[in-house]
Amino acid sequence: AQSVTQLDSHVSVSEGTPVLLRCNYSSSYSPSLFWYVQHPNKGLQLLLKYTSAATLVKGINGFEAEFKKSETSFHLTKPSAHMSDAAEYFCVVSRDTGRRALTFGSGTRLQVQP
Amino acid sequence: DVKVTQSSRYLVKRTGEKVFLECVQDMDHENMFWYRQDPGLGLRLIYFSYDVKMKEKGDIPEGYSVSREKKERFSLILESASTNQTSMYLCASRVGGQPQHFGDGTRLSIL
Repeated sequence: AQSVTQLDSHVSVSEGTPVLLRCNYSSSYSPSLFWYVQHPNKGLQLLLKYTSAATLVKGINGFEAEFKKSETSFHLTKPSAHMSDAAEYFCVVSRDTGRRALTFGSGTRLQVQP
Repeated sequence: DVKVTQSSRYLVKRTGEKVFLECVQDMDHENMFWYRQDPGLGLRLIYFSYDVKMKEKGDIPEGYSVSREKKERFSLILESASTNQTSMYLCASRVGGQPQHFGDGTRLSIL
């Protein structure tokens, strides 16, 4: 079965500093991995997806993630945080059964200090 | 852009009531999903549907059922609401191998 572990439940950064949100995954096959973002009282928005085409994936709003098979990691980064980045972030893996339903990590809440 | 619309943003019901949560998508997607979101647990899959009248249980189906009579609409039903079903409920849809698109969620309180 597939699973994801988000290593930090809360991350706080200052505006203009780099962001690192950590995610490890477990999968018995080559997975599809995603990062979603949820702003307060909103649904989930896709930030980026990895589907084996390239290990470094660029997403929206300056975010990117690197797939590292040897470390079973898919960490999300951004060079410079903006106040509008404050939200909850979910690392997600697609299942190989169940019509590709998703398995979610527990989420990381990102705070951005002025 | 895909639009997934959940009929209510906030809903308050009483224990024992039968509750319907509605979800509509406008892109003819064959796959639709219901999740519940609780703090510290991420999203957990309740049920999904891959075609009209076709459904499969997810990870936490107990106390829930679903209905899909038309391709664009997927309903989640709480047969007899209980306080432990107070949660945020999110609907999603997908076509083929594309990522899922989510609605804005329904925050349900059971008193």
